[in-house]
Amino acid sequence: NAGVMQNPRHLVRRRGQEARLRCSPMKGHSHVYWYRQLPEEGLKFMVYLQKENIIDESGMPKERFSAEFPKEGPSILRIQQVVRGDSAAYFCASSGLAGFNEQYFGPGTRLTVT
Amino acid sequence: KQEVTQIPAALSVPEGENLVLNCSFTDSAIYNLQWFRQDPGKGLTSLLLIQSSQREQTSGRLNASLDKSSGRSTLYIAASQPGDSATYLCAVEETGANNLFFGTGTRLTVIP
Repeated sequence: NAGVMQNPRHLVRRRGQEARLRCSPMKGHSHVYWYRQLPEEGLKFMVYLQKENIIDESGMPKERFSAEFPKEGPSILRIQQVVRGDSAAYFCASSGLAGFNEQYFGPGTRLTVT
Repeated sequence: KQEVTQIPAALSVPEGENLVLNCSFTDSAIYNLQWFRQDPGKGLTSLLLIQSSQREQTSGRLNASLDKSSGRSTLYIAASQPGDSATYLCAVEETGANNLFFGTGTRLTVIP
């Protein structure tokens, strides 16, 4: 039973490019959460999605960031026109039922903006 | 707004010692509290989850306690080993919320 999978594990982008981060939840899980860990800071919630729906995006920056979780395929976190301040580790987690259950985390994607 | 604090930020102990990591949170209306381990450059591994109605959970050499009314949790590690060296994160899930609030972690080094 594979855990939460994220790819790529490392991503380097130049300023102004787009970054796409993918997350495949654990088998049977339909709830996905994205968190960001800035250097020397704690993890901060970004967005919570169920299949085809954004449930809570209260932690998402208002511009350049978007997320989706289509009916088929992985969840995607998209960052347009990246800036150096976007450099961080982005973690995805999944849970099996509504957000009251234990969240299982993926290995993260480390984004570096040069 | 929920704030989670972990003290100390870093801790270094000789192998074999028992140790306690502390976590405090400002809003006691939580659904559960989780302790995670994060190795450098890696993801998070869940260690223990305590529901709000519970006082403690144990797994092997780890014991986590929860005092919801005072907004505190401790993670006790018995007979520490060099392999325990990692950053330990505490996170709370608020009642009715959809996300975890994390502390900034305690970086533990166990010296052989």
